[in-house]
Amino acid sequence: QTVVTQEPSFSVSPGGTVTLTCGLSSGSVSTSHYPTWYQHTPGQAPRTLIYSTKTRSSGVPDRFSGSILGNKAALTITGAQADDESDYYCLLFMGTATYVFGTGTKVTVL
Amino acid sequence: EVQLLESGGGLAQPGGSLRISCVASGFTFDTYAMSWVRQAPGKGLEWVSAISGSGHSTYYADSVKGRFTISRDNSKNTLYLEINSLRAEDTAVYSCARESAANYLYDSWGRGTLVTVSS
Repeated sequence: QTVVTQEPSFSVSPGGTVTLTCGLSSGSVSTSHYPTWYQHTPGQAPRTLIYSTKTRSSGVPDRFSGSILGNKAALTITGAQADDESDYYCLLFMGTATYVFGTGTKVTVL
Repeated sequence: EVQLLESGGGLAQPGGSLRISCVASGFTFDTYAMSWVRQAPGKGLEWVSAISGSGHSTYYADSVKGRFTISRDNSKNTLYLEINSLRAEDTAVYSCARESAANYLYDSWGRGTLVTVSS
């Protein structure tokens, strides 16, 4: 079974930069997985930040950026703000209509 | 405006069955693949199942294959998930989501319905 691993947690200072990663248990993440990044608060619908590796969703501040770093997908927050404190999930396309979520990263801004 | 509204969750017995629903509005339902995603208490998001727009093709996570059945009634703009042989680990908020096939993501989500499996 495919496992997509993210860092469990990160702490970043206000104004600081943090890079979250999303890796596959077997193999490398590539643009063919069309990585998507969601910001999620339990009880609410996930908010799309980045899709297709690096395309910013409408209305998302440019302090959020996506990329492939080595063999992983990455989400970088540059100039973190207090309201960036949240859970972040990557989503990878694995084939027709089939996806897998990453394990999630809890970001704390303090 | 796209709206997805789940219902049918509740308390169910281990080994029992439950069917949850998701009513869609604001878009042409049968042109979109739809999925179920769940989040257990204190856990992350988990992709559960997907179904093509026509309903002819279905897909399941290994963790639920053989116990869950996804279906849809396009005449009623409704998505279903039947959960059989319920286990405690099926306790979660189940949300339906619309797939944007062009961009390989879920672009609309429901608020979810809570399924609790307990005796």
